[in-house]
Amino acid sequence: DIQMTQSPSTLSASVGDRVIITCRASQSISTWLAWYQQKPGKAPKILIYQASSLESGVPSRFSGSGSGTEFTLTISSLQPDDFATYYCQHYNSYSGYTFGQGTKLEIK
Amino acid sequence: EVQLLESGGGVVQPGGSLRLSCAASGFTFNYAMSWVRQAPGKGLQWVSGISGSGGSTYYADSVKGRFTISRDNSKNTLYLQMNSLRAEDTAVYYCAKGTISGPGRYYFDYWGQGTLVSVSS
Repeated sequence: DIQMTQSPSTLSASVGDRVIITCRASQSISTWLAWYQQKPGKAPKILIYQASSLESGVPSRFSGSGSGTEFTLTISSLQPDDFATYYCQHYNSYSGYTFGQGTKLEIK
Repeated sequence: EVQLLESGGGVVQPGGSLRLSCAASGFTFNYAMSWVRQAPGKGLQWVSGISGSGGSTYYADSVKGRFTISRDNSKNTLYLQMNSLRAEDTAVYYCAKGTISGPGRYYFDYWGQGTLVSVSS
């Protein structure tokens, strides 16, 4: 089974900061990776798919990159609404849809 | 507007059964769909998926043989039949709509609000 590992698990940052969250796959997954944002008590929201494609309606301060086993989610300038938990996900019907353990982005 | 509305959650004893439903609206209900769960205070775990026609189904190892996913496209409804429930199945269960990103590869572009399943004696 493919394992997805995110780092860090918790990140403290301030409004206006540039933040990077990393996701590593236990084996190559090409670019079959999505990023989701989840706020407490709410369903996850898609941000990025296929590693670097921005979902319609998502602010351009969010960007994704990577391929193979290493991926990053970058928020170029943190806004108050961005404090949430972020999950990466490998998606593949045949091998399953594996999520990372999550990165909680907190206000410093 | 796409809407996914889950129902059927509740409290059940270990070894019991529940059937979850997800009523879809706002789109043509021929997309792949999935169930994803989240235990209290924990991360997201994919549970099961089904193709648009219902002809192909997929399961996480942790639920294989106990859970059955199905859909009724005439009713725009997704189901999850959960049998032999265990304490570790306690979670909020979300249904999610899949959008194709490649052959056999779907990311989840819409999610329901979730329904809580609690397995406890």
